[in-house]
Amino acid sequence: QVQLVQSGAEVKKPGSSVKVSCKASGGTFSSYAISWVRQAPGQGLEWMGRIIPILGIANYAQKFQGRVTITADKSTSTAYMELSSLRSEDTAVYYCATGATSADAFDIWGQGTMVTVSS
Amino acid sequence: DIQMTQSPSTLSASVGDRVTITCRASQSISSWLAWYQQKPGKAPKLLIYKASSLESGVPSRFSGSGSGTEFTLTISSLQPDDFATYYCQQYNSYARLTFGGGTKVEIK
Repeated sequence: QVQLVQSGAEVKKPGSSVKVSCKASGGTFSSYAISWVRQAPGQGLEWMGRIIPILGIANYAQKFQGRVTITADKSTSTAYMELSSLRSEDTAVYYCATGATSADAFDIWGQGTMVTVSS
Repeated sequence: DIQMTQSPSTLSASVGDRVTITCRASQSISSWLAWYQQKPGKAPKLLIYKASSLESGVPSRFSGSGSGTEFTLTISSLQPDDFATYYCQQYNSYARLTFGGGTKVEIK
């Protein structure tokens, strides 16, 4: 069964960008769709977008269109989420997730990456 | 985007209670609905997929029902480990997934 391991916590200035990685191990990376979900402190879950590595096709939530880029490197079984023009409201835990049974019902989650946006 | 509305937002219950959480979709999503449990500081855990299919390893006191626009998650007999926040999520809309706002189950 695939496991997802994310990069470490980040502190960023407003207006900058952040790139979070999600490395898959123990499974066939390219055949899974990897989604990114974020959770601001004390708030609910918010889907940002996803990529199907084998196709290299990414789709994004309307809210993040133009500000988020999701990519995948099949050679290293790693997915990336880059969020630009950061503002304080982007302070959140960012998760990558996928589903073994159904790509979009997430039974496999990364451990989460805390991104803090502060001047 | 499809909006998912959960109710209640907070629920106070005792161990042994039967608990029901409702999730409504702004348009039909067939049975493409999942339920998650989340505890503080942890990633969500999948409980139910395809509206009523129990994820492997999840206790049978959890069940899901519904189709179209109205769904429920039921915990037949609330256990101490079940105090957490629960989220529904639709995955009917291709590449436009959305979560409900969450229901926090608290100790009465």
